[in-house]
Amino acid sequence: AQKVTQAQTEISVVEKEDVTLDCVYETRDTTYYLFWYKQPPSGELVFLIRRNSFDEQNEISGRYSWNFQKSTSSFNFTITASQVVDSAVYFCALSEVGNAGNMLTFGGGTRLMVKP
Amino acid sequence: SAVISQKPSRDICQRGTSLTIQCQVDSQVTMMFWYRQQPGQSLTLIATANQGSEATYESGFVIDKFPISRPNLTFSTLTVSNMSPEDSSIYLCSGSRDRGSVGELFFGEGSRLTVL
Repeated sequence: AQKVTQAQTEISVVEKEDVTLDCVYETRDTTYYLFWYKQPPSGELVFLIRRNSFDEQNEISGRYSWNFQKSTSSFNFTITASQVVDSAVYFCALSEVGNAGNMLTFGGGTRLMVKP
Repeated sequence: SAVISQKPSRDICQRGTSLTIQCQVDSQVTMMFWYRQQPGQSLTLIATANQGSEATYESGFVIDKFPISRPNLTFSTLTVSNMSPEDSSIYLCSGSRDRGSVGELFFGEGSRLTVL
């Protein structure tokens, strides 16, 4: 069975600080996908990134970067120079390719509060 | 990306009543799902909405409590039946264009239900 753990339930930082959100996953499959979603106070889930299990290259998109390490089953998310607008709940999720189409298992989420 | 709209966006309901949530997608998607997010919790998959046939429910969710319809590719409904305060949650509709591979899962803004 697949499982996603986000050990940090809540993080508080001051604007312009860098912050890393941890995500550890468990799966028996060799082929799987990992995701990060952002849920602002409005409630909508905003897709941030999808990464397949064969691509361990780190990715950078503006102030966001992701570090995928298969050896430790981790897919961590770093926000550089955080801003107040980054305040949200962030979810890491996993999908095994064998699932009947895109069924995601979500982690418990990390609430990020960025203070001015 | 697909735009998913849900209604109602929020409602306050009385114990013992039922409420139907509607989900409309602006383009054809192959897969549609319903998730529940209890207060302060992560997302849990309720079921996969299948076009023209009965939904596929996850463990812990049954059709009598959460009947789902999907008459066409772009529309689905979820009914929360005989509600109790424990059903107070955000219910999210999601969709994907991918079948057989795992792609981006789009989410609506959710329907926030409070049961008194």
